[in-house]
Amino acid sequence: EDQVTQSPEALRLQEGESSSLNCSYTVSGLRGLFWYRQDPGKGPEFLFTLYSAGEEKEKERLKATLTKKESFLHITAPKPEDSATYLCAAVKLFGNEKLTFGTGTRLTIIP
Amino acid sequence: DGGITQSPKYLFRKEGQNVTLSCEQNLNHDAMYWYRQDPGQGLRLIYYSQIVNDFQKGDIAEGYSVSREKKESFPLTVTSAQKNPTAFYLCASSITSVLNEQYFGPGTRLTVT
Repeated sequence: EDQVTQSPEALRLQEGESSSLNCSYTVSGLRGLFWYRQDPGKGPEFLFTLYSAGEEKEKERLKATLTKKESFLHITAPKPEDSATYLCAAVKLFGNEKLTFGTGTRLTIIP
Repeated sequence: DGGITQSPKYLFRKEGQNVTLSCEQNLNHDAMYWYRQDPGQGLRLIYYSQIVNDFQKGDIAEGYSVSREKKESFPLTVTSAQKNPTAFYLCASSITSVLNEQYFGPGTRLTVT
């Protein structure tokens, strides 16, 4: 069964304290790995798509990387406005047309 | 401004009543999706549509119905057959298929008592 597991469930960081969020997947034949940011009570906001192992994408203080078994979302010198839940999702190369989502990492940046 | 709109933001219904959630997009996307989000669980796919007048069941379609009569619109009806309808419902769209990034609406929080 396809699974996406995110860790940790919750993470509290001081402003400026860099860290990484993990997304491990057991989707056979990965076609794409997506990262989203979700603020409380709102819809997810698209951040990145990664398609192949070794690929990296960056946006402001965020950098997403992909290996054959997991993806990391690195956050460098975070600010309080980076506080949100970060979701990852995977889609397989052959199969029904759906994303498998993880349950998210709730990130809190303390000023 | 291009985007996805969902209405209403909050919806309250009595048990046994059907309710329809609205989803409209002006992104000219072919594919549209409905998800349900519950605390502690990942987003779960209810229905999706890749083209007008065609749609497929997702993982948790029981108790829900949809229509896709126009490219821009993909309404979701939560029927009285849905055992646990209270949840946060999210509509999304993508250019052609799930292989493209999906863009989400603001969500509708449905409470059934």
